[in-house]
Amino acid sequence: DIRMTQSPTSLAASAGDRVTITCRAGQSIRNYVNWFQQKPGKAPKLLIYAASTLQSGVPSRFSGSGSGTDFTLTISSLQPEDFATYYCQQSADTLGTFGQGTKVEV
Amino acid sequence: EVQLVQSGAEVKKPGESLKISCKGSEYSFTNYWIGWVRQTPGKGLEWMGIIYPSNSDIRYSLSFQGQVTISADMSTNTAYLQWNSLKASDTATYYCMRRLSGLAWYMDVWGEGTTVTVSS
Repeated sequence: DIRMTQSPTSLAASAGDRVTITCRAGQSIRNYVNWFQQKPGKAPKLLIYAASTLQSGVPSRFSGSGSGTDFTLTISSLQPEDFATYYCQQSADTLGTFGQGTKVEV
Repeated sequence: EVQLVQSGAEVKKPGESLKISCKGSEYSFTNYWIGWVRQTPGKGLEWMGIIYPSNSDIRYSLSFQGQVTISADMSTNTAYLQWNSLKASDTATYYCMRRLSGLAWYMDVWGEGTTVTVSS
């Protein structure tokens, strides 16, 4: 399995902040990375696929970048509804592993 | 609206069997993979396996091979996840999702989750 390591595991931020979450793959995976947002008691929601493509309906303050082994999710101006846990996930394998998550809290 | 609707929460005893479901609507159920993921506080999100309903091609994660059975019924657009003998360690929330095919695949539609509690 390809290991996906996210950092940080948690971060404190305020509304309006620019937030960056990183994900490192254990081997090169081209652009095969997806990002999800999960709120307590809810299913994960797809934000970004193929490293940088914004899923339909997702606000443009979310963006993704990277290729190879290093990937980034950026929230340009954090909104109150963005406090949640974020996961990266690789799709280079048939069953792509998830990162351990990054909790964005006040 | 494309949806996956999962069956409700379950409380079971160790050794009991269980089958939970995931019903798709408003899309061609047979043309997309359906995947199952387990979520626990300690281990995060873990892939269990996927099924392609049109030909029942099933791929299991090595961690779950032999522990669960994934199946699908095209006539009812429903996928299933089944245990023959539950353990306390199966306590978790289980999500189904629609997984696209091909390179750079992703999961764009998720069920709401089924919480399974196994306790004596």
